[in-house]
Amino acid sequence: GESVGLHLPTLSVQEGDNSIINCAYSNSASDYFIWYKQESGKGPQFIIDIRSNMDKRQGQRVTVLLNKTVKHLSLQIAATQPGDSAVYFCAEEGGNQFYFGTGTSLTVIP
Amino acid sequence: DSGVTQTPKHLITATGQRVTLRCSPRSGDLSVYWYQQSLDQGLQFLIQYYNGEERAKGNILERFSAQQFPDLHSELNLSSLELGDSALYFCASSVQGAMIGELFFGEGSRLTVL
Repeated sequence: GESVGLHLPTLSVQEGDNSIINCAYSNSASDYFIWYKQESGKGPQFIIDIRSNMDKRQGQRVTVLLNKTVKHLSLQIAATQPGDSAVYFCAEEGGNQFYFGTGTSLTVIP
Repeated sequence: DSGVTQTPKHLITATGQRVTLRCSPRSGDLSVYWYQQSLDQGLQFLIQYYNGEERAKGNILERFSAQQFPDLHSELNLSSLELGDSALYFCASSVQGAMIGELFFGEGSRLTVL
């Protein structure tokens, strides 16, 4: 089966610093990946996605990097703000479903 | 606001009981997905419907069932409830039927089984 793992369950960063959230995936055939953000009491919210034919994709203050060689995905958040405090999930598409990791809890310290 | 509506937001019931969770997708979205989120686990995919038809099935227990109605709203039925069924149940919707593109999640239904 699929497994999507996160290297760190919690991450604390100072406001204004950059954050990097990592994710390992197991299926080398996965073609599509998404990062979601889940704030307390809310449902997950789409942040950014990337297809396997890309190594990097940038959004507003966020960048996703995909390293297919080591099956690793990362989410970089620039100039982290208090509003970025949330749980971040990576998800990989495979077999007609998305497999989500357990999440990394990001805390931004003012 | 994602545009996906889930009811009820909270539900407390006893073991052995049956509950129904309801989801209204975003206007225009044909696909509805159900996910279970427990404390120590990530989002576990249960089932997907597209325009009224079951499209994909995940780790959904036989005690659980779902359907999507002609107006595209969906219901997730959980029966013979066990303590371990306590979790957040999310519904998500998307325009497409394929597992690609953004999923819009509701705020979830928190089920507590006592």
